[in-house]
Amino acid sequence: QQQVKQSPQSLIVQKGGISIINCAYENTAFDYFPWYQQFPGKGPALLIAIRPDVSEKKEGRFTISFNKSAKQFSLHIMDSQPGDSATYFCAARVNAGNMLTFGGGTRLMVKP
Amino acid sequence: EPEVTQTPSHQVTQMGQEVILRCVPISNHLYFYWYRQILGQKVEFLVSFYNNEISEKSEIFDDQFSVERPDGSNFTLKIRSTKLEDSAMYFCASTPAGQAFFGQGTRLTVV
Repeated sequence: QQQVKQSPQSLIVQKGGISIINCAYENTAFDYFPWYQQFPGKGPALLIAIRPDVSEKKEGRFTISFNKSAKQFSLHIMDSQPGDSATYFCAARVNAGNMLTFGGGTRLMVKP
Repeated sequence: EPEVTQTPSHQVTQMGQEVILRCVPISNHLYFYWYRQILGQKVEFLVSFYNNEISEKSEIFDDQFSVERPDGSNFTLKIRSTKLEDSAMYFCASTPAGQAFFGQGTRLTVV
């Protein structure tokens, strides 16, 4: 029940296109859903996060859509750029200070 | 901007040897974590540390692992007798009880 399932495992998008990554969870006690971006050889860096009381959050080209009833959330990257090429992880957490449960990751490649 | 720093960046060790991975969390943070990432796989939680004691640990964090905050600034992960399958990136993270900040990681290679 602690699992977070992420899809797709890999994604190739043309420059300027929209990248969409999906995650699903089972544990209804999760109350915080961050997305992390990881470049090779680096640690995960927080990109954007959402709480279940809102259905959408937008920061620049990055948008999280959240569907509480379906227990799903997704990351949309608008106008994808080659510099966005990285591995993206969704995650979820029960309470502040608790562990993060990560999805399996999506390796995004944006072609010029 | 404050950051979590980890040393060393890469450690190679013989199977059966003890290793200590070091982390300096961000100074006013309250919660500290170790995660690991086997090459090409997802990030897995190992242990969390709050108020000078372990607050949560995963099944991975067995008796060969231990954590310590010896001097109020450093946060260490010790693996007593390393196995080949311990080869992974180990990430330290800290949070004031909100956003988690990750270090750059230590790549541990057990040979």
